[in-house]
Amino acid sequence: AQSVAQPEDQVNVAEGNPLTVKCTYSVSGNPYLFWYVQYPNRGLQFLLKYITGDNLVKGSYGFEAEFNKSQTSFHLKKPSALVSDSALYFCAVNGGGFKTIFGAGTRLFVKA
Amino acid sequence: DTAVSQTPKYLVTQMGNDKSIKCEQNLGHDTMYWYKQDSKKFLKIMFSYNNKELIINETVPNRFSPKSPDKAHLNLHINSLELGDSAVYFCASSQSPSAGITYEQYFGPGTRLTVT
Repeated sequence: AQSVAQPEDQVNVAEGNPLTVKCTYSVSGNPYLFWYVQYPNRGLQFLLKYITGDNLVKGSYGFEAEFNKSQTSFHLKKPSALVSDSALYFCAVNGGGFKTIFGAGTRLFVKA
Repeated sequence: DTAVSQTPKYLVTQMGNDKSIKCEQNLGHDTMYWYKQDSKKFLKIMFSYNNKELIINETVPNRFSPKSPDKAHLNLHINSLELGDSAVYFCASSQSPSAGITYEQYFGPGTRLTVT
């Protein structure tokens, strides 16, 4: 069975500081990992994904994520947060088929 | 130019009514999905279609019936609406999984359903 955990309901960070949004997963087989962002009253937008290869994945808007197989984690990071990054972030996992499981979401609040 | 579109954006109706939500994608994808996002923002898959064939049918009441007239469209019909059906429903599409590789999904703007 597949599962995703986002242990933090909310992350608060000051503008200009680095941010991390945590995600851990469980899947049988090779994991395909994704991060999506949702702004208010909008659909989810794809940010980045890990399929294979380099453990550090770079995505849209300056975001990156680090795949750690031993810790079964895929944390989302950004070196310098912007107020406009404030949104709801979802981690998702897929074991290679049609079913993707989404985490509960982490609300990121960036203060000016 | 909208990649995945849904209509209507808002839907307010009374208990017991039947309603439909339409979804269209112009990305050329073979796989489409319906998700339900509740008031706590949990996102749960309901259905998935690949090349017009039903692939995933989660534990969804029989009152919900998806229909895919072609690969670009996936509609959702809901019979006998209940208060608990109030949520935001998202349509999404993606390339089909291939050789064990899964692709990212593209989401529509959502349909906010309110049942009174």
